[in-house]
Amino acid sequence: SQTIHQWPATLVQPVGSPLSLECTVEGTSNPNLYWYRQAAGRGLQLLFYSVGIGQISSEVPQNLSASRPQDRQFILSSKKLLLSDSGFYLCAWLGVSDTQYFGPGTRLTVL
Amino acid sequence: KQEVTQIPAALSVPEGENLVLNCSFTDSAIYNLQWFRQDPGKGLTSLLLIQSSQREQTSGRLNASLDKSSGRSTLYIAASQPGDSATYLCAVRGHSGNTPLVFGKGTRLSVIA
Repeated sequence: SQTIHQWPATLVQPVGSPLSLECTVEGTSNPNLYWYRQAAGRGLQLLFYSVGIGQISSEVPQNLSASRPQDRQFILSSKKLLLSDSGFYLCAWLGVSDTQYFGPGTRLTVL
Repeated sequence: KQEVTQIPAALSVPEGENLVLNCSFTDSAIYNLQWFRQDPGKGLTSLLLIQSSQREQTSGRLNASLDKSSGRSTLYIAASQPGDSATYLCAVRGHSGNTPLVFGKGTRLSVIA
């Protein structure tokens, strides 16, 4: 069966520090992968999506970036965090049945 | 640009009641529609997926319908239970399977025992 992992589960970082969030999918190959952010009181915002290794589409201009170094690994990064980067970050993948599945999320607090 | 709206934003019902959650979308040219559940501090759990050619899907006490021409979907929950308390999100995918989902802001449901 397929599973999706995200780490860390929670993170508290100072403004201006770097960020690296990791997402790994097991039990499937060449999945479409997605990064979303959910901020307090706001909806789910798509940040990046990838249809294959090295293929990244950015939906929202910001100080975040994404990379897909391996087929089942998706990384979200920042060189310098802003207060507005605080939120709940969710990774997702698209199953063969067209159903989208989400990971458990990472709660990021920027102080 | 596709926009998804969910009404109401919050709903409180007594246990045992049947209820309907509403979702509307502005562009009827969708590939599919998916309903999710989110518990506080957790990721999203897929409930039902309706392909654009389908009218409804059922899973246990849940039934989701799709009227693509009018840009509407409903999620019907029968005999609600306190364990159904969560935020329910509707999302639509555009014209192909590779198009990202566009989400509504969700309906926060509280089922009171």
